[in-house]
Amino acid sequence: SQQGEEDPQALSIQEGENATMNCSYKTSINNLQWYRQNSGRGLVHLILIRSNEREKHSGRLRVTLDTSKKSSSLLITASRAADTASYFCATDFQGGSEKLVFGKGTKLTVNP
Amino acid sequence: EPEVTQTPSHQVTQMGQEVILRCVPISNHLYFYWYRQILGQKVEFLVSFYNNEISEKSEIFDDQFSVERPDGSNFTLKIRSTKLEDSAMYFCASSGLTRRQPQHFGDGTRLSIL
Repeated sequence: SQQGEEDPQALSIQEGENATMNCSYKTSINNLQWYRQNSGRGLVHLILIRSNEREKHSGRLRVTLDTSKKSSSLLITASRAADTASYFCATDFQGGSEKLVFGKGTKLTVNP
Repeated sequence: EPEVTQTPSHQVTQMGQEVILRCVPISNHLYFYWYRQILGQKVEFLVSFYNNEISEKSEIFDDQFSVERPDGSNFTLKIRSTKLEDSAMYFCASSGLTRRQPQHFGDGTRLSIL
């Protein structure tokens, strides 16, 4: 299977704390993208990190990529109640395909 | 900020009926996609579309499915004869001028087959 898999499946933290979610995948990638999905809503693109990049930042988000371990992490610093959502990693794999393969996601709850 | 829009937000259809899901991708994007998410399951790729033709499709995308870009703005997914198992959230996505750009998703159409 080429699928990315996130862990933990669920994470509950207090507002102000940091949240770290991990993603693993099995075959070589071109890019890895992180998305957020609020309940019943669409997927919001957060960050794209390319296979030749190791770290990327966007506001309170920090993404790392370790291609030797085939894993990525998403760190949300100083979390807010509004960050409550499901977070997914999605990969597109080497070999020409543009399709994204999604993991099952991490359901993050930030308690006020 | 430009966004992908999908209509309708919710579609209820009798089994065996045809349904068309509509999407307006971001205006200068060239790559278009459909994905679906069955309740409680992963988001699954259906089809990608570039230069007015299908570039890739999954096993799910059988003869009952088709896509079309009838004009310069709309991108549609048609299911000819719906089955109960087609009930899902269907997402349209688009990405930019070159390959390997971020894919931006719409809010989805919830399709319920009765």
